[in-house]
Amino acid sequence: LAKTTQPISMDSYEGQEVNITCSHNNIATNDYITWYQQFPSQGPRFIIQGYKTKVTNEVASLFIPADRKSSTLSLPRVSLSDTAVYYCLTPGAGSYQLTFGKGTKLSVIP
Amino acid sequence: DAGVTQSPTHLIKTRGQQVTLRCSPKSGHDTVSWYQQALGQGPQFIFQYYEEEERQRGNFPDRFSGHQYPNYSSELNVNALLLGDSALYLCASSFWQGKETQYFGPGTRLLVL
Repeated sequence: LAKTTQPISMDSYEGQEVNITCSHNNIATNDYITWYQQFPSQGPRFIIQGYKTKVTNEVASLFIPADRKSSTLSLPRVSLSDTAVYYCLTPGAGSYQLTFGKGTKLSVIP
Repeated sequence: DAGVTQSPTHLIKTRGQQVTLRCSPKSGHDTVSWYQQALGQGPQFIFQYYEEEERQRGNFPDRFSGHQYPNYSSELNVNALLLGDSALYLCASSFWQGKETQYFGPGTRLLVL
């Protein structure tokens, strides 16, 4: 049973800001919101994780509204190397497995 | 600080054979999870090992088994290989007392002919 919904694909030009929104209407109180990035034939790479409001690191920002039913991953000034699949997950605190959907395939165009 | 490592990187087997994949977790991590990723799909959870025991298992048949050693490294064994077992096998490590953020290795590409 899918816990999250995100667009199948997105295109963006180099240098633009990209926002990928994920819907998680049934998020539980103890669930976190986690984003991974995956390049072809490589393992997923952890990008960012948050619980509420805004989280920022050197790679991305994560915006979470008060109701936590959705979240937005923001990638500033994307480059060709940001072309990848981005997965939104909502693992519960203390949960053992990560449940991946199909992710969002981001294509950055020169 | 080495991240998660996996071996081999690629493997070709024939139907009915058995295969063993290996994983060394990130330094400081004590928990290892295994995932199977078919082409065009997201990774699917196989099982997780902690303290040398299988802690949780996904929807995979008993042909898939594993082991964790005292140094936290782990093996994934698949018996009686089927063509449908062809996939990228990913190992992820974590520290169980954390927020369960899992860090993935590069994977082993298995092709069953």
